[in-house]
Amino acid sequence: DSGVTQTPKHLITATGQRVTLRCSPRSGDLSVYWYQQSLDQGLQFLIQYYNGEERAKGNILERFSAQQFPDLHSELNLSSLELGDSALYFCASSPHSGETQYFGPGTRLLVL
Amino acid sequence: QKEVEQDPGPLSVPEGAIVSLNCTYSNSAFQYFMWYRQYSRKGPELLMYTYSSGNKEDGRFTAQVDKSSKYISLFIRDSQPSDSATYLCAMSVPNTGFQKLVFGTGTRLLVSP
Repeated sequence: DSGVTQTPKHLITATGQRVTLRCSPRSGDLSVYWYQQSLDQGLQFLIQYYNGEERAKGNILERFSAQQFPDLHSELNLSSLELGDSALYFCASSPHSGETQYFGPGTRLLVL
Repeated sequence: QKEVEQDPGPLSVPEGAIVSLNCTYSNSAFQYFMWYRQYSRKGPELLMYTYSSGNKEDGRFTAQVDKSSKYISLFIRDSQPSDSATYLCAMSVPNTGFQKLVFGTGTRLLVSP
């Protein structure tokens, strides 16, 4: 158990809908990272937040957004969902030093 | 060319074998090197973490980094069926407060009893 929690574990929705994925980092970790993992793309970095502020963006679509709250939990919002958004979404957190990242169990999103 | 290259496998070995997993990379600025193990449909689990060059051992696992060749390895001794998983290498450039991990695509390992 990495100490990173994610909810929900599974999500099934329809195209065009909007969903919110939630992540709680390990105790004491200030950084939260979001990743998307699909079969043909591997692990793709989406976005990072550090102590409530956006720090870096990766391959994140404009339909996706995220935020980190004062209690350091983070939410990833996915809107206007398409079939191709079906994937595993992972959250990771790291200590202040940012040398290592610890991953949560993921949310499996299926868009029908 | 990808920044990090990793053979997807699958790599099939009998129980008890020594397993060698490898990654090559192109960015000479990488200083942090990690190996993650990912079981099917689970989150990646950090196995080994190495800074710069050299070896690091933890139980049955040994990580090696050869920066001159831009090549990293993970050795698993006395492999067990429970080691069957996908192994992802990851690496990053030092940057206080932000660490963009660049992942390999993963090598699937199958250890048969």
